[in-house]
Amino acid sequence: QSVLSQPPSASGTPGQRVTISCSGSSSNIGTNYVYWYQQLPGTAPKLLIYRNNQRPSGVPDRFSGSKSGTSASLAINGLRSEDEADYYCATWDDSLSGWVFGGGTKLTVL
Amino acid sequence: QVQLVESGGDVVQPGKSLRLSCAASGFTFSSYGMHWVRQAPGKGLEWVALISFDGSNKYYADSVKGRFTISSDNSKNTLYLHMNSLRAEDTAIYYCAKGGFYCSGFSCYVDDWGQGTLVTVSS
Repeated sequence: QSVLSQPPSASGTPGQRVTISCSGSSSNIGTNYVYWYQQLPGTAPKLLIYRNNQRPSGVPDRFSGSKSGTSASLAINGLRSEDEADYYCATWDDSLSGWVFGGGTKLTVL
Repeated sequence: QVQLVESGGDVVQPGKSLRLSCAASGFTFSSYGMHWVRQAPGKGLEWVALISFDGSNKYYADSVKGRFTISSDNSKNTLYLHMNSLRAEDTAIYYCAKGGFYCSGFSCYVDDWGQGTLVTVSS
């Protein structure tokens, strides 16, 4: 059971907008930055969003992040087939004194 | 560019020990916090441990506390994970991951990952 809750799956058709949610608590998302990672099949994860809504260089601006209270969201605009992957949110938890990941969301492009 | 190369993964019996290594290059190793993150077969990511840039602070997931030890050797640009009293539930791919510059704790988000090394705990 993950400290951060994500829907196990999401889907969309090419060109659509998809959002993935990440729900936490006051000890984690409520007081710390949220990060998002993309894991393509058979590969290591990759940083997608840092500090709630910042994109590393090389990440398309189709990807965006937001945070409100104890929840965060990842939005993907103009969905493409290569976006089919697992997506994870992560943050620091003050109560646990450690990093926590969400359970992951498998995105399917129909 | 950043390179993180893990090694040491193996098949081990429950209760035994194992040491993983991660050779780092492409950045000033001694200036960055470093993590271990694992992924059980077909499961999600689980953070395991973090060592601050200067080695003065170490953090562990409750699931490994008291059994695993994270350490680093700046002279060799190498990160280690010493794993004792291994259990079947420790079976996973273990990723070495780079944290932030001069970071510790909450500021040490992962921004680069190795390709992982597989640890299988089975009798």
